[in-house]
Amino acid sequence: GENVEQHPSTLSVQEGDSAVIKCTYSDSASNYFPWYKQELGKRPQLIIDIRSNVGEKKDQRIAVTLNKTAKHFSLHITETQPEDSAVYFCAASIGTGGFKTIFGAGTRLFVKA
Amino acid sequence: EADIYQTPRYLVIGTGKKITLECSQTMGHDKMYWYQQDPGMELHLIHYSYGVNSTEKGDLSSESTVSRIRTEHFPLTLESARPSHTSQYLCASSADGRNTEAFFGQGTRLTVV
Repeated sequence: GENVEQHPSTLSVQEGDSAVIKCTYSDSASNYFPWYKQELGKRPQLIIDIRSNVGEKKDQRIAVTLNKTAKHFSLHITETQPEDSAVYFCAASIGTGGFKTIFGAGTRLFVKA
Repeated sequence: EADIYQTPRYLVIGTGKKITLECSQTMGHDKMYWYQQDPGMELHLIHYSYGVNSTEKGDLSSESTVSRIRTEHFPLTLESARPSHTSQYLCASSADGRNTEAFFGQGTRLTVV
């Protein structure tokens, strides 16, 4: 069945370093790839997304890359700050409306000051 | 302000009780979802709805039921709560159209004793 694998499950970096989270998906029909950030005790919120007709997208310190051939997409956070500490979820979505949205298991990011 | 609201935020209830978790959104979205999430862990889709009078089961089997009588309201009901139902329940909604982000409520943390 459809599956999204996310690695690593836990990531610890020093403030100012970069963090990279990787996801792979199984369904080649997936065409929308959002990333959500969930801070402790709070709701998940979209931080960046990418559609299948784009290979890379950047928003300030956050960037996402997509390799459709390899069915692989990644989140890159540069110049990490303590407030980046959270759980990050990747997701892959098929078709309209996002019903077939499959989430990865999450990556817990710790940024040490 | 347009948002998605869940009540209660926290609920402790005895085994065998019937409970309803409320979810309402003022965003004008047609699509709504319920996810089950242990804190900081994976998001599991348990129910979703395309619109009024539409309800579908998600990928994770759940003993709960949902209804969608009004566009803005998507309550989740457990007829007989059990300790295995202890978890966090997140309601979400998304706009119609192609691949749009999901907006999450604050969640209801349910404990069944």
